[in-house]
Amino acid sequence: QPVLTQSPSASASLGASVTLTCTLSSDYSNYKVDWYQQRPGKGPRFVMRVGTGEIVGSKGDGIPDRFSVLGSGLNRYLTIKNIQEEDESDYHCGADYGSGSNSWVFGGGTKLTVL
Amino acid sequence: EVQLVESGGGLVQPGGSLRLSCAASGFIFSRYTMHWVRQAPGKGLEYVSAISSNGGSTYYANSVKGRFTISRDNSKNTLYLQMGSLRAEDMAVYYCARRGSSTSLDVWGQGTTVTVSS
Repeated sequence: QPVLTQSPSASASLGASVTLTCTLSSDYSNYKVDWYQQRPGKGPRFVMRVGTGEIVGSKGDGIPDRFSVLGSGLNRYLTIKNIQEEDESDYHCGADYGSGSNSWVFGGGTKLTVL
Repeated sequence: EVQLVESGGGLVQPGGSLRLSCAASGFIFSRYTMHWVRQAPGKGLEYVSAISSNGGSTYYANSVKGRFTISRDNSKNTLYLQMGSLRAEDMAVYYCARRGSSTSLDVWGQGTTVTVSS
């Protein structure tokens, strides 16, 4: 099964941009990854899926245009432009695998702080 | 409004049992594979279990296999997780999630907290 690696923390100033990275273990460079946003005390929220290029499918409900993704090699990126206070959250990447895509693996999550 | 609401969490002693429920509304529950995902305090997300739309196929993480049982009642639009032989490491917030047509987990509940302590 793939292993997903994320940096524990990131920060950005209000109105700036930030790129979060999710790195797949080797041999899994063709895997798609989902990004999930989790605000404090809330359940996760689907942001969007990324493969080896740009977005796969559609964004989650209510996800602003400021959010975009890109995939390259083993890395899957989530970029947030014009950061707002409400973007301060934990961001998790996850990938499904196995029979019928019914098993999941997640990265450790990145806590994004808005300065 | 599409919604998932978990319940049934609480304090249980090591070795004890607990049944979680997840009530679905706003969509045709019987058409979707459903998942349980947990999050230990201060940790990331961990997949627990999944069940096919008609309940005929079930899947488990190795960490819970043989101790947890996932089930569903499509007539009641409800997903369940029966947890047994609970350990300290099972202590977490448990979320139910819907697997959408793209296989992403596109709808999540707010979670229910399980505390395992004597």
